[in-house]
Amino acid sequence: GAGVSQSPRYKVAKRGQDVALRCDPISGHVSLFWYQQALGQGPEFLTYFQNEAQLDKSGLPSDRFFAERPEGSVSTLKIQRTQQEDSAVYLCASSSDRVQGREQFFGPGTRLTVL
Amino acid sequence: TQLLEQSPQFLSIQEGENLTVYCNSSSVFSSLQWYRQEPGEGPVLLVTVVTGGEVKKLKRLTFQFGDARKDSSLHITAAQPGDTGLYLCAGTEGSQGNLIFGKGTKLSVKP
Repeated sequence: GAGVSQSPRYKVAKRGQDVALRCDPISGHVSLFWYQQALGQGPEFLTYFQNEAQLDKSGLPSDRFFAERPEGSVSTLKIQRTQQEDSAVYLCASSSDRVQGREQFFGPGTRLTVL
Repeated sequence: TQLLEQSPQFLSIQEGENLTVYCNSSSVFSSLQWYRQEPGEGPVLLVTVVTGGEVKKLKRLTFQFGDARKDSSLHITAAQPGDTGLYLCAGTEGSQGNLIFGKGTKLSVKP
């Protein structure tokens, strides 16, 4: 596709369930970022990949959060034992390289609701 | 961690009015970006400012980067209902390229 796609668009989980969120970046984009956007807030950085290497995971809020990009294209953000505070929109963005100021193209996000 | 503060948080105006949104930080940023986000969508980049004192214009939108590269403003002239949305400023942290976002300004332009 022409842009970044994410699936599912909406996910409802019961507290304690594991969830997996998928991101398909723009073809050929080296850099991939995950952000978390709580209601009424700006996005907050979670983790960064350059190709298949996870170079920064400093924004992951706990060890229940895990991200991977095994072949340097599609990425999955996994949340284990979900909690109510995990409810948010999870945004994926890709960029052609990691140069500062390079435009990041965002997907539509996955809205996660934990009951 | 660098922080970006945006003001106002909410803005409701009539079509045809002018408005300014501010983005301030105590830290220096190598670049600042402005995004617009509509409900159910991801942010879309409007502009990137890199040089202190830089002014960029995009139709009715004027963006300015402060001389010290700690603050930025977005001015919209003759706002239209189509300008309604969440406006986010974001700075690049360190050399990694991940973005630090402000909390956003939710703009509503009434016809």
